[in-house]
Amino acid sequence: GAVVSQHPSRVICKSGTSVKIECRSLDFQATTMFWYRQFPKQSLMLMATSNEGSKATYEQGVEKDKFLINHASLTLSTLTVTSAHPEDSSFYICSARPGTSGSYEQYFGPGTRLTVT
Amino acid sequence: GQQVMQIPQYQHVQEGEDFTTYCNSSTTLSNIQWYKQRPGGHPVFLIQLVKSGEVKKQKRLTFQFGEAKKNSSLHITATQTTDVGTYFCAGRGNQGGKLIFGQGTELSVKP
Repeated sequence: GAVVSQHPSRVICKSGTSVKIECRSLDFQATTMFWYRQFPKQSLMLMATSNEGSKATYEQGVEKDKFLINHASLTLSTLTVTSAHPEDSSFYICSARPGTSGSYEQYFGPGTRLTVT
Repeated sequence: GQQVMQIPQYQHVQEGEDFTTYCNSSTTLSNIQWYKQRPGGHPVFLIQLVKSGEVKKQKRLTFQFGEAKKNSSLHITATQTTDVGTYFCAGRGNQGGKLIFGQGTELSVKP
């Protein structure tokens, strides 16, 4: 089945530093990847949609200069949280949609738990 | 904008009892998907419904899409402890675009 990996699974960083999270589709090509944020006991909030080779589309209220997204290849997208602050602490989950025609399933990565101290 | 509401937020059942979670959209949906997220895990795709009035079954799970394509339900018959987790619905509007996730229903099953 389709597998999406995320690295790191957990990261603790100091306030003001930047953190990069990688999302990889391991056995399929993903033309579209999604980045979500999930607070404890809450739903998934879409942050941005990234398409390979083009700029990401950010949801309203998400600062593009703070959450930098790069989808450089069909199997890799990265999210960089710049100048992180404690309020950025959250569970960040990526998902990937295969590039095959008519595919609608999104496969989620295991998530990255970010703690900013 | 489009909103997807899900109830109940929490459901505690005795093993063997049935469970249902309901999903309602403020706008007509082109399709709806259901996901399960185990505690500490990530969402896993369960199913997609597309047609008005569609009913699909997966063993003890029954998924329905309303006639107006604005609501959906997930029913689990005779719950088991392995059913524990949070069930999310996610709807996509008629104009395509992004999936909007409901708030999820957290199911706990007492053995």
